[in-house]
Amino acid sequence: GENVEQHPSTLSVQEGDSAVIKCTYSDSASNYFPWYKQELGKRPQLIIDIRSNVGEKKDQRIAVTLNKTAKHFSLHITETQPEDSAVYFCAPYGRDSNYQLIWGAGTKLIIKP
Amino acid sequence: NAGVTQTPKFRILKIGQSMTLQCAQDMNHNYMYWYRQDPGMGLKLIYYSVGAGITDKGEVPNGYNVSRSTTEDFPLRLELAAPSQTSVYFCASSYNVNEQYFGPGTRLTVT
Repeated sequence: GENVEQHPSTLSVQEGDSAVIKCTYSDSASNYFPWYKQELGKRPQLIIDIRSNVGEKKDQRIAVTLNKTAKHFSLHITETQPEDSAVYFCAPYGRDSNYQLIWGAGTKLIIKP
Repeated sequence: NAGVTQTPKFRILKIGQSMTLQCAQDMNHNYMYWYRQDPGMGLKLIYYSVGAGITDKGEVPNGYNVSRSTTEDFPLRLELAAPSQTSVYFCASSYNVNEQYFGPGTRLTVT
């Protein structure tokens, strides 16, 4: 089945700096690549997603880039703010996972004031 | 729209007891899911449903059962609760296998 890994597991950045989280996957048939944000004690929420026919997608301070050849996609957050502190999950899906999202273990992002 | 609702918010069970976690959505979504999230970990899929009358096992189905008699409701049944089932349970729904909308979660402790 699909194997999903996120790196790093914890990321601490100074407020205003950029943060990058990488997600690698094993299923070459994966065609949908979302990122979810989960604040402490809250439910996960979709923040950005990308499909396999697109290499990059941007929404204000966040962006996702996809490298299908290397089988990884990354979340980029620029000008980080305190409210960006959360756990971020990637959850690609594809044929091998019976079209269910397979969740990474999460990356805890800490924004230092 | 209420979105995805879950009850109860918290529950403490004794070992061997049973309970049903309720989940409902008012978005007319065909797909519904049950996940568990252990402390500091990602989400594990327990069961999912692609429509009323259709359910299928996820990654960690042992100890749980589901039913889907209507589009709106997707209850999760725990039989013979065990300490290993202590977790936060999230229900989610989606229009197709894309953006999933999550409920607020049920925090379950089995002692």
